[in-house]
Amino acid sequence: AQKITQTQPGMFVQEKEAVTLDCTYDTSDPSYGLFWYKQPSSGEMIFLIYQGSYDQQNATEGRYSLNFQKARKSANLVISASQLGDSAMYFCAMREVLWDNDMRFGAGTRLTVKP
Amino acid sequence: ETGVTQTPRHLVMGMTNKKSLKCEQHLGHNAMYWYKQSAKKPLELMFVYSLEERVENNSVPSRFSPECPNSSHLFLHLHTLQPEDSALYLCASSQGRGQDTGELFFGEGSRLTVL
Repeated sequence: AQKITQTQPGMFVQEKEAVTLDCTYDTSDPSYGLFWYKQPSSGEMIFLIYQGSYDQQNATEGRYSLNFQKARKSANLVISASQLGDSAMYFCAMREVLWDNDMRFGAGTRLTVKP
Repeated sequence: ETGVTQTPRHLVMGMTNKKSLKCEQHLGHNAMYWYKQSAKKPLELMFVYSLEERVENNSVPSRFSPECPNSSHLFLHLHTLQPEDSALYLCASSQGRGQDTGELFFGEGSRLTVL
Protein backbone atom coordinates (compact mmCIF):
# COMPACT_ATOMS: atom_id res chain seq x y z
CA ALA A 1 0.00 0.00 0.00
CA GLN A 2 1.20 3.49 -0.85
CA LYS A 3 2.39 5.14 2.33
CA ILE A 4 3.16 8.59 0.91
CA THR A 5 0.71 10.35 -1.38
CA GLN A 6 1.40 13.46 -3.39
CA THR A 7 -1.71 14.32 -5.34
CA GLN A 8 -0.30 17.16 -7.44
CA PRO A 9 1.71 15.88 -10.42
CA GLY A 10 2.49 19.44 -11.44
CA MET A 11 2.19 22.92 -9.98
CA PHE A 12 2.79 26.40 -11.35
CA VAL A 13 3.58 29.49 -9.29
CA GLN A 14 4.43 33.05 -10.16
CA GLU A 15 7.86 34.26 -9.13
CA LYS A 16 7.87 35.86 -5.65
CA GLU A 17 4.61 34.20 -4.65
CA ALA A 18 4.16 31.40 -2.11
CA VAL A 19 3.19 27.85 -3.05
CA THR A 20 2.03 24.82 -1.07
CA LEU A 21 2.91 21.29 -2.14
CA ASP A 22 0.65 18.63 -0.63
CA CYS A 23 1.71 15.42 1.07
CA THR A 24 -0.30 12.91 3.06
CA TYR A 25 1.08 9.80 4.69
CA ASP A 26 -0.11 6.61 6.28
CA THR A 27 1.48 4.94 9.29
CA SER A 28 0.56 3.28 12.55
CA ASP A 29 4.07 3.80 13.92
CA PRO A 30 4.02 6.46 16.67
CA SER A 31 7.59 7.47 15.87
CA TYR A 32 8.52 8.61 12.39
CA GLY A 33 10.24 11.34 10.45
CA LEU A 34 8.91 13.28 7.49
CA PHE A 35 11.17 14.80 4.84
CA TRP A 36 11.04 16.93 1.75
CA TYR A 37 13.62 16.66 -1.01
CA LYS A 38 14.16 18.77 -4.12
CA GLN A 39 15.40 17.19 -7.33
CA PRO A 40 16.54 19.59 -10.07
CA SER A 41 16.90 18.39 -13.64
CA SER A 42 20.53 17.46 -12.92
CA GLY A 43 19.28 14.55 -10.81
CA GLU A 44 20.67 15.03 -7.32
CA MET A 45 18.28 14.80 -4.38
CA ILE A 46 18.65 17.82 -2.13
CA PHE A 47 17.36 17.57 1.43
CA LEU A 48 15.17 20.54 2.32
CA ILE A 49 13.40 20.07 5.62
CA TYR A 50 12.60 17.52 8.34
CA GLN A 51 9.70 17.10 10.77
CA GLY A 52 9.72 14.56 13.57
CA SER A 53 6.45 13.00 14.63
CA TYR A 54 6.89 14.26 18.19
CA ASP A 55 7.88 17.78 17.23
CA GLN A 56 5.39 20.27 18.61
CA GLN A 57 6.24 23.07 16.24
CA ASN A 58 6.24 23.13 12.46
CA ALA A 59 9.71 22.93 10.97
CA THR A 60 11.14 25.90 9.12
CA GLU A 61 14.31 26.28 7.05
CA GLY A 62 14.72 29.63 5.38
CA ARG A 63 11.99 29.97 2.74
CA TYR A 64 10.76 26.44 3.41
CA SER A 65 8.26 25.54 6.07
CA LEU A 66 6.41 22.34 6.76
CA ASN A 67 2.74 22.52 7.67
CA PHE A 68 2.47 19.45 9.89
CA GLN A 69 -1.06 18.35 10.78
CA LYS A 70 -0.57 15.10 12.65
CA ALA A 71 -4.22 14.18 13.13
CA ARG A 72 -4.83 14.56 9.41
CA LYS A 73 -1.52 12.86 8.58
CA SER A 74 -0.46 15.64 6.30
CA ALA A 75 2.92 17.32 5.88
CA ASN A 76 2.61 20.02 3.27
CA LEU A 77 5.64 21.98 2.11
CA VAL A 78 5.27 25.74 1.84
CA ILE A 79 7.78 27.67 -0.25
CA SER A 80 7.61 31.39 0.27
CA ALA A 81 8.82 34.04 -2.19
CA SER A 82 9.34 31.56 -5.04
CA GLN A 83 12.42 31.93 -7.20
CA LEU A 84 13.10 30.67 -10.71
CA GLY A 85 15.66 28.28 -9.23
CA ASP A 86 12.91 26.57 -7.26
CA SER A 87 11.66 24.91 -10.44
CA ALA A 88 12.26 21.20 -9.82
CA MET A 89 10.66 17.96 -8.69
CA TYR A 90 9.76 17.85 -5.01
CA PHE A 91 9.45 14.61 -3.11
CA CYS A 92 7.86 13.95 0.25
CA ALA A 93 9.27 11.00 2.20
CA MET A 94 8.88 9.18 5.50
CA ARG A 95 10.99 6.98 7.76
CA GLU A 96 9.25 4.87 10.38
CA VAL A 97 11.07 3.60 13.46
CA LEU A 98 9.14 0.44 14.27
CA TRP A 99 8.58 -0.72 10.70
CA ASP A 100 11.61 -1.21 8.49
CA ASN A 101 13.11 2.24 9.05
CA ASP A 102 13.73 2.72 5.35
CA MET A 103 12.86 5.96 3.61
CA ARG A 104 9.81 5.71 1.36
CA PHE A 105 9.00 8.38 -1.17
CA GLY A 106 5.92 9.81 -2.78
CA ALA A 107 5.52 10.13 -6.53
CA GLY A 108 6.65 13.75 -6.52
CA THR A 109 5.33 17.12 -7.66
CA ARG A 110 6.92 19.05 -10.51
CA LEU A 111 7.00 22.73 -9.60
CA THR A 112 7.44 25.35 -12.30
CA VAL A 113 8.10 28.94 -11.30
CA LYS A 114 7.01 31.47 -13.91
CA PRO A 115 8.84 34.79 -14.33
CA GLU B 1 28.38 18.59 -2.24
CA THR B 2 26.51 16.05 -0.12
CA GLY B 3 29.52 13.88 0.71
CA VAL B 4 28.21 11.04 -1.45
CA THR B 5 29.89 10.49 -4.80
CA GLN B 6 28.61 8.27 -7.58
CA THR B 7 30.44 7.13 -10.68
CA PRO B 8 29.89 6.99 -13.54
CA ARG B 9 27.32 9.74 -13.94
CA HIS B 10 26.16 8.31 -17.25
CA LEU B 11 26.40 4.77 -18.57
CA VAL B 12 25.19 3.20 -21.79
CA MET B 13 25.40 -0.55 -22.05
CA GLY B 14 24.17 -3.40 -24.18
CA MET B 15 22.09 -6.20 -22.77
CA THR B 16 25.03 -8.59 -22.71
CA ASN B 17 27.49 -6.27 -21.00
CA LYS B 18 28.71 -6.37 -17.43
CA LYS B 19 29.24 -3.05 -15.72
CA SER B 20 29.34 -1.66 -12.21
CA LEU B 21 28.10 1.48 -10.50
CA LYS B 22 30.17 2.84 -7.65
CA CYS B 23 29.19 4.90 -4.64
CA GLU B 24 31.46 6.38 -2.01
CA GLN B 25 30.47 8.32 1.09
CA HIS B 26 32.76 10.53 3.16
CA LEU B 27 30.34 11.14 6.01
CA GLY B 28 31.19 8.31 8.38
CA HIS B 29 27.72 6.85 7.97
CA ASN B 30 26.84 3.25 8.77
CA ALA B 31 23.99 2.64 6.33
CA MET B 32 23.99 2.80 2.54
CA TYR B 33 21.21 2.41 0.02
CA TRP B 34 20.52 1.89 -3.66
CA TYR B 35 17.36 3.44 -5.11
CA LYS B 36 16.02 3.15 -8.65
CA GLN B 37 14.18 6.08 -10.20
CA SER B 38 12.29 5.32 -13.39
CA ALA B 39 10.22 7.79 -15.34
CA LYS B 40 6.82 8.44 -13.81
CA LYS B 41 7.40 6.10 -10.86
CA PRO B 42 8.26 6.82 -7.24
CA LEU B 43 11.77 6.09 -6.08
CA GLU B 44 12.08 2.37 -5.48
CA LEU B 45 14.30 1.11 -2.70
CA MET B 46 16.47 -1.71 -4.04
CA PHE B 47 19.06 -2.61 -1.41
CA VAL B 48 20.02 -1.54 2.08
CA TYR B 49 23.32 -2.18 3.81
CA SER B 50 23.81 -1.54 7.49
CA LEU B 51 27.31 -1.93 8.93
CA GLU B 52 28.33 -3.65 5.67
CA GLU B 53 25.63 -6.29 6.02
CA ARG B 54 22.79 -6.46 3.53
CA VAL B 55 19.60 -6.04 5.48
CA GLU B 56 17.09 -5.60 2.70
CA ASN B 57 16.61 -6.79 -0.84
CA ASN B 58 13.31 -5.62 -2.22
CA SER B 59 12.65 -8.43 -4.69
CA VAL B 60 15.25 -7.07 -7.05
CA PRO B 61 16.13 -9.31 -10.03
CA SER B 62 19.39 -11.19 -9.71
CA ARG B 63 20.85 -9.31 -12.67
CA PHE B 64 21.48 -6.57 -10.10
CA SER B 65 24.12 -7.59 -7.57
CA PRO B 66 25.15 -5.25 -4.76
CA GLU B 67 28.45 -5.29 -2.93
CA CYS B 68 29.51 -3.38 0.16
CA PRO B 69 33.19 -4.05 0.88
CA ASN B 70 33.33 -1.49 3.70
CA SER B 71 31.11 1.14 5.25
CA SER B 72 32.30 3.83 2.83
CA HIS B 73 31.81 2.03 -0.48
CA LEU B 74 28.85 0.50 -2.22
CA PHE B 75 28.73 -1.08 -5.65
CA LEU B 76 25.93 -2.20 -7.91
CA HIS B 77 27.06 -4.84 -10.38
CA LEU B 78 24.99 -5.03 -13.54
CA HIS B 79 24.76 -8.11 -15.73
CA THR B 80 22.53 -8.94 -18.73
CA LEU B 81 20.18 -6.06 -18.11
CA GLN B 82 16.95 -5.36 -19.95
CA PRO B 83 15.91 -2.09 -21.63
CA GLU B 84 13.34 -1.55 -18.84
CA ASP B 85 16.24 -1.31 -16.40
CA SER B 86 17.14 2.06 -17.92
CA ALA B 87 16.75 4.53 -15.06
CA LEU B 88 18.53 6.86 -12.69
CA TYR B 89 20.23 4.87 -9.94
CA LEU B 90 20.68 6.82 -6.75
CA CYS B 91 22.98 5.93 -3.91
CA ALA B 92 22.34 7.30 -0.43
CA SER B 93 23.73 7.02 3.06
CA SER B 94 22.49 7.70 6.57
CA GLN B 95 23.99 7.68 10.02
CA GLY B 96 22.34 4.45 10.95
CA ARG B 97 19.33 2.26 10.60
CA GLY B 98 16.93 0.85 13.14
CA GLN B 99 16.05 3.79 15.33
CA ASP B 100 17.27 6.52 13.07
CA THR B 101 14.85 9.07 11.66
CA GLY B 102 17.55 11.24 10.15
CA GLU B 103 17.75 12.27 6.54
CA LEU B 104 19.41 10.38 3.75
CA PHE B 105 22.26 12.00 1.89
CA PHE B 106 22.13 11.27 -1.82
CA GLY B 107 24.68 11.15 -4.56
CA GLU B 108 24.03 12.79 -7.91
CA GLY B 109 22.95 9.52 -9.45
CA SER B 110 24.10 7.32 -12.30
CA ARG B 111 21.89 7.53 -15.36
CA LEU B 112 21.82 4.12 -17.01
CA THR B 113 20.64 3.42 -20.53
CA VAL B 114 20.33 -0.19 -21.66
CA LEU B 115 20.21 -0.69 -25.41
